[in-house]
Amino acid sequence: NAGVTQTPKFRILKIGQSMTLQCTQDMNHNYMYWYRQDPGMGLKLIYYSVGAGITDKGEVPNGYNVSRSTTEDFPLRLELAAPSQTSVYFCASSYGTEADEQFFGPGTRLTVL
Amino acid sequence: GQNIDQPTEMTATEGAIVQINCTYQTSGFNGLFWYQQHAGEAPTFLSYNVLDGLEEKGRFSSFLSRSKGYSYLLLKELQMKDSASYLCAVRDTNYQLIWGAGTKLIIKP
Repeated sequence: NAGVTQTPKFRILKIGQSMTLQCTQDMNHNYMYWYRQDPGMGLKLIYYSVGAGITDKGEVPNGYNVSRSTTEDFPLRLELAAPSQTSVYFCASSYGTEADEQFFGPGTRLTVL
Repeated sequence: GQNIDQPTEMTATEGAIVQINCTYQTSGFNGLFWYQQHAGEAPTFLSYNVLDGLEEKGRFSSFLSRSKGYSYLLLKELQMKDSASYLCAVRDTNYQLIWGAGTKLIIKP
């Protein structure tokens, strides 16, 4: 099993550009999450999904969009990149059980200039 | 508001024991998690507590007191590879994880 994979690993965007961060998991997990991690701060939940076709906002959804057309894939879309979106983005997945260990992808380091 | 507090940084010696504390104030409580994150890498799961008391897993143990809003992670027989950040996270009423900023643990020979 590859677990959770993310692409790209690094990306530099100009202000106003758009991009999609890809996330795929092969563990048949129902739950998937997108977090951002800024230096000195805890992980912040952007969006999450409890199954294909179902998504919901987390703590910091502004400036982002998601879709979940399959169990495996959960892409994150940035429409108009802003410097405040410079961060490391992690995708994670879990079964959604009581102990609910989340499995994280390797992350995407995004810089907006 | 929701708040999770951990020390920013701690230093310990190889072979010793270290305790990393976490205090929380959240809207509801549905479990507390500890994750390890090496520099430049993704977080990995260490432990889960939902009832008061101590959970032991090899060299790592995690303690929870719900009445005090307090947890700690205890690492024994420290190894150089334990140098990492340790993240405390609480699952709130909405079943979302609220994360602390993490404690950077530096191990010295």
